[in-house]
Amino acid sequence: EADIYQTPRYLVIGTGKKITLECSQTMGHDKMYWYQQDPGMELHLIHYSYGVNSTEKGDLSSESTVSRIRTEHFPLTLESARPSHTSQYLCASSVAGDYDTQYFGPGTRLTVL
Amino acid sequence: RKEVEQDPGPFNVPEGATVAFNCTYSNSASQSFFWYRQDCRKEPKLLMSVYSSGNEDGRFTAQLNRASQYISLLIRDSKLSDSATYLCVVTRGRRALTFGSGTRLQVQP
Repeated sequence: EADIYQTPRYLVIGTGKKITLECSQTMGHDKMYWYQQDPGMELHLIHYSYGVNSTEKGDLSSESTVSRIRTEHFPLTLESARPSHTSQYLCASSVAGDYDTQYFGPGTRLTVL
Repeated sequence: RKEVEQDPGPFNVPEGATVAFNCTYSNSASQSFFWYRQDCRKEPKLLMSVYSSGNEDGRFTAQLNRASQYISLLIRDSKLSDSATYLCVVTRGRRALTFGSGTRLQVQP
C-alpha cells in the first residue's frame, strides 16, 4: 500500500470560500502531482512538482495554486471556490526514475454549491 | 485528437473469458507506458508497466508496438474481481503521465 494521504476525503462548501486540499506522502518521493477527474472521465494534470520550491502548471488550466515547502507536503488551494470547481482531486507521488510509477492518494471529492 | 485514445467499452465478458484492450498514442516521442486500474470511485493503481519486448504478470500480458503506436493488455481467465476501468498511460521524459479515459471491463458470473 502506498503511503500517500489526502484530506479531507469529501468537502461540500459554498461559493466564494477559500479552501485548501491537503496531500502528504511518507515515502520520500521527490515528485508530486495533482490531477482533476470528473466522473467517468480521464485524469487531467493540473499541477506538478519535482522537488521543494519547484511547482509547475499541468496540461489543464486551473485556478488553483500549489506550494511545495517540504518534500512530503503538496497542498492545493482555491482562493474562491465556484461550482465549476466541483470534481475529484487526486494527488500522486513518484520517485525520480526512468519509469515514473505514480502512487495515488484516495482523492478529495469536492462539491461547491 | 487526444494524446491517448481508448475504447471506453464497456466490455461485458463471462468469467473465464480472455479479453484484450488496445490503446493508441499520438506522440511518437512517448517513452514509458503503463496500464493502471481504477475501481469505481477509487484512485488509480498501477497494474503493470509495458516494456518494449512485452511482459507478463500472471494472467495479464502487455504488449507495445512502437511502429504503430499502440499498447495492448490481455487478461486471461477473467475473474469477477477484474471488473474495473483500465487506464492506458504514457509519459514523455520529465513530463508527468498522460492518461487515457479508460476502458471499462465488467466480468459477469
